[in-house]
Amino acid sequence: AQKITQTQPGMFVQEKEAVTLDCTYDTSDPSYGLFWYKQPSSGEMIFLIYQGSYDQQNATEGRYSLNFQKARKSANLVISASQLGDSAMYFCAMSSFSGSARQLTFGSGTQLTVLP
Amino acid sequence: DVKVTQSSRYLVKRTGEKVFLECVQDMDHENMFWYRQDPGLGLRLIYFSYDVKMKEKGDIPEGYSVSREKKERFSLILESASTNQTSMYLCASRITGSANKDTQYFGPGTRLTVL
Repeated sequence: AQKITQTQPGMFVQEKEAVTLDCTYDTSDPSYGLFWYKQPSSGEMIFLIYQGSYDQQNATEGRYSLNFQKARKSANLVISASQLGDSAMYFCAMSSFSGSARQLTFGSGTQLTVLP
Repeated sequence: DVKVTQSSRYLVKRTGEKVFLECVQDMDHENMFWYRQDPGLGLRLIYFSYDVKMKEKGDIPEGYSVSREKKERFSLILESASTNQTSMYLCASRITGSANKDTQYFGPGTRLTVL
């Protein structure tokens, strides 16, 4: 069975500093994808970044980068130069094949608060 | 831009009522999903549909059913609402074979309260 673990229920960071949100995963599927989503207080889940299990380089999207360490089964999200608007819940997720389609398994989330 | 809409942002129903949650996507995606989100539990998959009239149970299908008569619309049905179904419900859709493989795009969510 697939499992995603986010061990930090809450994190604080000072504005303009970098922050790392932890994510570890467990799967026996040789082909999988790893995702990070942001959920502001409004409730919508916003896709941030994707990393494929066979990708050689770590994914980057603007201020977001994914620190992918396959041997350690970790996929940490790094946000550089934090902004007040980054305050939100962040979810790590993994895709795997189940039934007739690939599905996402989500972690329990990390609530990030950016301090002015 | 991908757009996924849900019929209501907030909904209040009484125990025993039949409840319909509607989700519409405008990007011709084959796959659609319904999740519920509860504090400390993340998102849990209720049902998904991989094509019109096709559906499969997710991790927590009990007490729910779904309908997909058209490609763009996926409905979640609570046949007889109960208080333990009070939750945030999120719909998502995905195109198969996209560059960002498996990326799901979410609607704004429906916060359902069952009294």
